[in-house]
Amino acid sequence: GESVGLHLPTLSVQEGDNSIINCAYSNSASDYFIWYKQESGKGPQFIIDIRSNMDKRQGQRVTVLLNKTVKHLSLQIAATQPGDSAVYFCAEIQGAQKLVFGQGTRLTINP
Amino acid sequence: EPEVTQTPSHQVTQMGQEVILRCVPISNHLYFYWYRQILGQKVEFLVSFYNNEISEKSEIFDDQFSVERPDGSNFTLKIRSTKLEDSAMYFCASMGQSSYNSPLHFGNGTRLTVT
Repeated sequence: GESVGLHLPTLSVQEGDNSIINCAYSNSASDYFIWYKQESGKGPQFIIDIRSNMDKRQGQRVTVLLNKTVKHLSLQIAATQPGDSAVYFCAEIQGAQKLVFGQGTRLTINP
Repeated sequence: EPEVTQTPSHQVTQMGQEVILRCVPISNHLYFYWYRQILGQKVEFLVSFYNNEISEKSEIFDDQFSVERPDGSNFTLKIRSTKLEDSAMYFCASMGQSSYNSPLHFGNGTRLTVT
């Protein structure tokens, strides 16, 4: 079936650098996407969302970009900090109410 | 800030035993969910619940699983006869309005270990 997937399973960046986490989706009808952060031993934590009528949305140190032409989603984290180390999931709303997660990317911030 | 709470944080049970995982969703939320995450893998949808009935369930959510909202505040997941492969983190989530307008809020999970 249709799914949300991620390009890379792990990513390491130096503290203070910017990071970009990518996600591909296959359902061209998808219209709402969410990025979640999951720290060890915790549940997924909402970071930022974007609807298909937008191509960019900014939060505090985070930006989500949506390219509907190639069905690609990315999460940019600026000036990374040690607390940004976590697994990041993109997720897609399918149907009326079901949130479907991608595989996840583990981000490691090196001091 | 309101949050979803889950108990217990860790449950150990023997194969074949019944377990009940408990969740208290955010109080004014209307949609409730259970998700499962096997160690090192992605978070998988199990079931959604709205207006006191199941809205959708995945292939994982077979006859061994059931959900209930017994008293207007708790939301439970029951596994009738646990199997080794049921060992996972189980996350409860809730949402206030339609999924189009708001993200799901997750609890910190119950780690279920079946021995």
